[in-house]
Amino acid sequence: DTGVSQNPRHKITKRGQNVTFRCDPISEHNRLYWYRQTLGQGPEFLTYFQNEAQLEKSRLLSDRFSAERPKGSFSTLEIQRTEQGDSAMYLCASSLGGRGTDTQYFGPGTRLTVL
Amino acid sequence: AQRVTQPEKLLSVFKGAPVELKCNYSYSGSPELFWYVQYSRQRLQLLLRHISRESIKGFTADLNKGETSFHLKKPFAQEEDSAMYYCALRGNDMRFGAGTRLTVKP
Repeated sequence: DTGVSQNPRHKITKRGQNVTFRCDPISEHNRLYWYRQTLGQGPEFLTYFQNEAQLEKSRLLSDRFSAERPKGSFSTLEIQRTEQGDSAMYLCASSLGGRGTDTQYFGPGTRLTVL
Repeated sequence: AQRVTQPEKLLSVFKGAPVELKCNYSYSGSPELFWYVQYSRQRLQLLLRHISRESIKGFTADLNKGETSFHLKKPFAQEEDSAMYYCALRGNDMRFGAGTRLTVKP
């Protein structure tokens, strides 16, 4: 499978614990996006990278959230001191970039449940 | 403010009937608009975007800047069109609507 992959697919954690998710984009894609999706809502933009540079962060991304893309390839999203409100599907997408050609390809998501 | 509104959470039509999924947006700049679709147990995928002005799987969408709309249309719905549809706006960032679940009944 040469699409976007995400690990783990499911994560159950207790409130207050830290969690880390990984996203592997399509290999030649230089843009990588993180979204959060809760039940009954569309994906909400969290942040995006152009290669290893984090270019934009949503106000939704509190200081408990941090994302990295150290070598411009895979990315990690870490949530510290998880809260029950963090329970959601976390989606990753990648694209080649460029206005008019920025088709985002989504991964299957990581479903986080905070108990 | 950048916003996408899909007024219908659920839409049900019979096979062969026309279907229109509504999308309205607000954005002060020049928007890029997209429709994404998620079939059951599959990942979110791009259906079409306004720049391409193409028809995909019989679906079309026209950007109406005067009405700030980007409605998705298909003249004859098929059962395999049943899915969740999201309208999305790329402005300062990517903003998705809440989605419309389309059910096409036999």
